Amino acid sequence: DTAVSQTPKYLVTQMGNDKSIKCEQNLGHDTMYWYKQDSKKFLKIMFSYNNKELIINETVPNRFSPKSPDKAHLNLHINSLELGDSAVYFCASSPSRGWNQPQHFGDGTRLSIL
Amino acid sequence: KQEVTQIPAALSVPEGENLVLNCSFTDSAIYNLQWFRQDPGKGLTSLLLIQSSQREQTSGRLNASLDKSSGRSTLYIAASQPGDSATYLCAVNPYNQGGKLIFGQGTELSVKP
Repeated sequence: DTAVSQTPKYLVTQMGNDKSIKCEQNLGHDTMYWYKQDSKKFLKIMFSYNNKELIINETVPNRFSPKSPDKAHLNLHINSLELGDSAVYFCASSPSRGWNQPQHFGDGTRLSIL
Repeated sequence: KQEVTQIPAALSVPEGENLVLNCSFTDSAIYNLQWFRQDPGKGLTSLLLIQSSQREQTSGRLNASLDKSSGRSTLYIAASQPGDSATYLCAVNPYNQGGKLIFGQGTELSVKP
């Protein structure tokens, strides 16, 4: 009965490869987010979708492409992986842009680039 | 530009102590402020959300306050326990920015038995 689930939990891959991370929420929320947590544990927003529509794109390289097939899913595809992409990627969701509701986070995907 | 700062970066206390974690933000135009807990290798767990019109929120041994005009929030933990050991993150939800959260860098708390 996990609320926000991400797969895979760990991802180890070579520089230059293309990879995807999947996220699903079963909370019935309208809005989903991707955050990146760097090696210093600093969390920063990357993207947000509301009802499958992109509403936040926070100066992220265009090698990163989010896709929301429906409001319960938000996937992240990364092309031509670079060493600097190594981080923990968190998916989150909230009802209607979360103005006064807490965001719910998944457990993260730990991406390591060799 | 909104910036969120948390002090101290790390804190170690003996079990049973009451403690205060601090969070400050530069722009008071926020919908709410949230406190999260992050355990090693895990995601974030929402502890408390304070709306901009509120002054404080309480949940069990946790009490969070918000002074929007001065750009400050505190998280008070009463009678700390070793199980409280984790990183505590503060985040603000700014006006008209699509619901994104802007995070501080966290306070790593260690409660010694």
